Amino acid sequence: DIQMTQSPSSLSASVGDRVTITCRAGQSISSYLNWYQQKPGKAPKLLIYAASSLQSGVPSRFSGGGSGTDFTLTVSSLQPEDFATYYCQQSYSAPYTFGQGTNLEIK
Amino acid sequence: EVQLLESGGGLVQPGGSLRLSCAASGFTFSSYAMSWVRQAPGKGLEWVSAISGGGGTTAYADSVKGRLTISRDNSKNTLYLQMNSLRAEDTAVYYCAHCSAGTCYRGCFDPWGQGTLVTVSS
Repeated sequence: DIQMTQSPSSLSASVGDRVTITCRAGQSISSYLNWYQQKPGKAPKLLIYAASSLQSGVPSRFSGGGSGTDFTLTVSSLQPEDFATYYCQQSYSAPYTFGQGTNLEIK
Repeated sequence: EVQLLESGGGLVQPGGSLRLSCAASGFTFSSYAMSWVRQAPGKGLEWVSAISGGGGTTAYADSVKGRLTISRDNSKNTLYLQMNSLRAEDTAVYYCAHCSAGTCYRGCFDPWGQGTLVTVSS
């Protein structure tokens, strides 16, 4: 199984800040990496697919990068609605593993 | 608009069985793979199982292999998860998710249903 490790596990930031979350795969997964946002009590929502492609309807302040084993999710200017938990997920091979999540909190 | 609506969750005793359903609408159901993903209370996301659009190919997480069975009825636009020999560690919200193509392999999950809670407890 491919292990996915996110860092940090939690992050405190302020509205307007630029933040970056990192996801590392246990082996190369090319660009088969997706990012999801989850708010309390809600289903996850796809933000970024194939490492860097922005899902339709997602604000352009979200961006993804990386390939191979190291990936990033960046929010260029945090908005109040961005405080949530973020997960990376690899679809390179089954089982389609997720990172442990990054809880983004308001400072 | 793609819509997914799960049902069938509830309280079940250890060793018991339950069948979850996911009713799909807004897309050609038989053309897309589907998955189940679960989330234990206060924990992260865990992929459980996937099935191809035609139903002929399935995949499972090791933690559920031999106990949970994914299936679909394309005539009813419905995805299922038959859950047998349930354990306390199966307690979670179960989400169904639409895969981005005929296979979840090298794709993504979008969108997700609202989830249904399964509680395994005596």
